[in-house]
Amino acid sequence: TQLLEQSPQFLSIQEGENLTVYCNSSSVFSSLQWYRQEPGEGPVLLVTVVTGGEVKKLKRLTFQFGDARKDSSLHITAAQPGDTGLYLCAGENSNSGYALNFGKGTSLLVTP
Amino acid sequence: DTAVSQTPKYLVTQMGNDKSIKCEQNLGHDTMYWYKQDSKKFLKIMFSYNNKELIINETVPNRFSPKSPDKAHLNLHINSLELGDSAVYFCASSPIAGINEQFFGPGTRLTVL
Repeated sequence: TQLLEQSPQFLSIQEGENLTVYCNSSSVFSSLQWYRQEPGEGPVLLVTVVTGGEVKKLKRLTFQFGDARKDSSLHITAAQPGDTGLYLCAGENSNSGYALNFGKGTSLLVTP
Repeated sequence: DTAVSQTPKYLVTQMGNDKSIKCEQNLGHDTMYWYKQDSKKFLKIMFSYNNKELIINETVPNRFSPKSPDKAHLNLHINSLELGDSAVYFCASSPIAGINEQFFGPGTRLTVL
């Protein structure tokens, strides 16, 4: 099984602060995806990173894929209460062909 | 229009009962999935279907049986429900080719009493 370890598990910060969430594995992934899940809803895709070293930006969110394609990070600048949610990284399960292996998630709370 | 829909949203039932959860996607995707999210929010793949054929069954008890009547539907039937089956079940779909970006339904919260 290709495990994905996320850290930190929980994060509570004030509005305006910056934060970084990490997703690490000992396995190489062809791509990694980041999802955000809000209470009572399904995960929603934020971004997919494919190339080692790739950096993608989505407004105040910056995603990076490690050079060796084993890890990824999500950096949020000037966090806002609307960023609150569960952030999940996911990589393709090599045994399934299509299904995803998910990390255990980072639960982010941004207070005003 | 809802891309991936699931019914019911909530399901409360007694141990030993049999229940079904329905899923439909209108995205024209070839592959559909069932995931289980436990109380610690860990999301784990249960089944993966491609064009109505099962392509993976991840160590799931045979009390769980997926049924795909056509490419747009993937239902989950659960026999003899147990307390440990309580969780949120998510249906998802993805296109077959290219990067496997998945679209999730809103989830079904199953509570077994």
